Amino acid sequence: EDQVTQSPEALRLQEGESSSLNCSYTVSGLRGLFWYRQDPGKGPEFLFTLYSAGEEKEKERLKATLTKKESFLHITAPKPEDSATYLCAVHSVEGGATNKLIFGTGTLLAVQP
Amino acid sequence: GAVVSQHPSWVICKSGTSVKIECRSLDFQATTMFWYRQFPKQSLMLMATSNEGSKATYEQGVEKDKFLINHASLTLSTLTVTSAHPEDSSFYICSAPGQGTETQYFGPGTRLLVL
Repeated sequence: EDQVTQSPEALRLQEGESSSLNCSYTVSGLRGLFWYRQDPGKGPEFLFTLYSAGEEKEKERLKATLTKKESFLHITAPKPEDSATYLCAVHSVEGGATNKLIFGTGTLLAVQP
Repeated sequence: GAVVSQHPSWVICKSGTSVKIECRSLDFQATTMFWYRQFPKQSLMLMATSNEGSKATYEQGVEKDKFLINHASLTLSTLTVTSAHPEDSSFYICSAPGQGTETQYFGPGTRLLVL
């Protein structure tokens, strides 16, 4: 059965203190790994899609990387506005052509000024 | 970018009544949409896959007679919570894959409170 695990559950950083969030996955065949940001009371906002091991994508202070077993979301010099819950999701072969996603439980990031 | 809207953004209803939530893809067509439920401090749980022109596919443990899904057009899916009870109170979110991509785009969510 496909599974996605995120760590840590919560992370508190000082402004400017870089760190990484982890997403470990076990799937029958990876078709895509997705990172989303979710603010309280809102729907998830798309950040990145990664398809194959070794792939990297960047957006402002965020950089996502992918290996065969896990993905990292690196946050460089975070600002308070980066505070949110970061969700990882995978689309596997098991999901078939329906694009069904399996989500991790998320990492709640708090960046203090 | 692909934009998905939901209406209403929040609703309060009495126990036993039915509530309809709409999910629209604004600038693209979606033959498939997804409905999720999210309880406080928990991740998204897929409830069902909405298919345009055919029956929805429900996840294990989700009552299809309680959560009615209708995908009437290529841009609209509706979720009706029938005979709502307090335990149905939750945050309901829909999503749709962008045209020509596997990336799913999410609506802003609907907060349901059943009294």
